[in-house]
Amino acid sequence: DAKTTQPPSMDCAEGRAANLPCNHSTISGNEYVYWYRQIHSQGPQYIIHGLKNNETNEMASLIITEDRKSSTLILPHATLRDTAVYYCIVRGGNAGNMLTFGGGTRLMVKP
Amino acid sequence: ETGVTQSPTHLIKTRGQQVTLRCSSQSGHNTVSWYQQALGQGPQFIFQYYREEENGRGNFPPRFSGLQFPNYSSELNVNALELDDSALYLCASSFNGLAGGQLDTQYFGPGTRLTVL
Repeated sequence: DAKTTQPPSMDCAEGRAANLPCNHSTISGNEYVYWYRQIHSQGPQYIIHGLKNNETNEMASLIITEDRKSSTLILPHATLRDTAVYYCIVRGGNAGNMLTFGGGTRLMVKP
Repeated sequence: ETGVTQSPTHLIKTRGQQVTLRCSSQSGHNTVSWYQQALGQGPQFIFQYYREEENGRGNFPPRFSGLQFPNYSSELNVNALELDDSALYLCASSFNGLAGGQLDTQYFGPGTRLTVL
């Protein structure tokens, strides 16, 4: 699976949009971009995933560049409860493939 | 819909002992993956079980073993515990379609915190 690069930490003001970048320049054509987050000492929580097109759900939006070499996770109105480590993962398109976690981005939402 | 559950929540063992951790998969899921997360690091893949057989393994020694039962629940067993085995052990369940080739999203349980003294 392709490796990802994320900034180690970011701050965001409560109520503002949080934009978390991820670089995955070696991504292959059948690899998906997944985002999980982990609040302190809890299990990772699935957020969203995408292949080529932008995706949106009740938690977040995922913007993937046309060349698929980078993506941005957007939390439209960050709250204090969004403070967590966010992991960007590139994963093969076949069932059963493992998740390879990197260091993630520690997002701190401040009042 | 019942989510992924793990037991126990916390566990303290001494070096050389054996431990069994348990995971109940989310309703409708047939695959279980186990991950180890050391303090300050991201989770590391241990192995995956599908159809009661190991279906992929990470870089972990044979003293890490597992089982999957007909109801899709799973156990992680670790023998001869070492101090470095102290970690949060995470179980994730997913649905792997019988036809294969279908992307499956993994959903994690809350984890078991193992401390080895």
